[in-house]
Amino acid sequence: EAGVAQSPRYKIIEKRQSVAFWCNPISGHATLYWYQQILGQGPKLLIQFQNNGVVDDSQLPKDRFSAERLKGVDSTLKIQPAKLEDSAVYLCASSLEAGGYEQYFGPGTRLTVT
Amino acid sequence: DQQVKQNSPSLSVQEGRISILNCDYTNSMFDYFLWYKKYPAEGPTFLISISSIKDKNEDGRFTVFLNKSAKHLSLHIVPSQPGDSAVYFCAASAGGNQFYFGTGTSLTVIP
Repeated sequence: EAGVAQSPRYKIIEKRQSVAFWCNPISGHATLYWYQQILGQGPKLLIQFQNNGVVDDSQLPKDRFSAERLKGVDSTLKIQPAKLEDSAVYLCASSLEAGGYEQYFGPGTRLTVT
Repeated sequence: DQQVKQNSPSLSVQEGRISILNCDYTNSMFDYFLWYKKYPAEGPTFLISISSIKDKNEDGRFTVFLNKSAKHLSLHIVPSQPGDSAVYFCAASAGGNQFYFGTGTSLTVIP
């Protein structure tokens, strides 16, 4: 069974630039999550999708972050414009269903904003 | 507001001995707890979970203990192996909604 795929693995941008991350969840998983993990901290949920719809985006900085999940499969997370404090690893995870407690994580995208 | 805390950033244990990783939480509404293991450059991998209706769950060398009155859970690894060296995160949720993660404990098992 293929795992959660993410790309790119690494990205370096200057502040005020924009960046996008891509995630392909495990086939058949209805729920998709984006987490931000700042160095030395645990993952923090940014947004949760159930199929196409947003379940929870309460911690997504909506003035600069946006995410979409087209056709209930792949998802993209965008930051525009980036700030220095956005430097982090962005993790995508999926689970079979909402409240399906076991989340499967991708390898993450390490973003450095200079 | 850190609702899940792992106060030990690192832990070193001799191979074959017991590793005990601790986690404290503040929200009494949390009813489901998980432990994840993370190797460098990889995403976290689910390890073991426990519901608040239990106080112990065991899976092979891994056992999680939950003390609801103390709002404390711990992960025991017996016997510890060098391959267990990783960062361990505990996470908690209320009703299966958003999971809150601790800051992680880096375990080193010395051969």
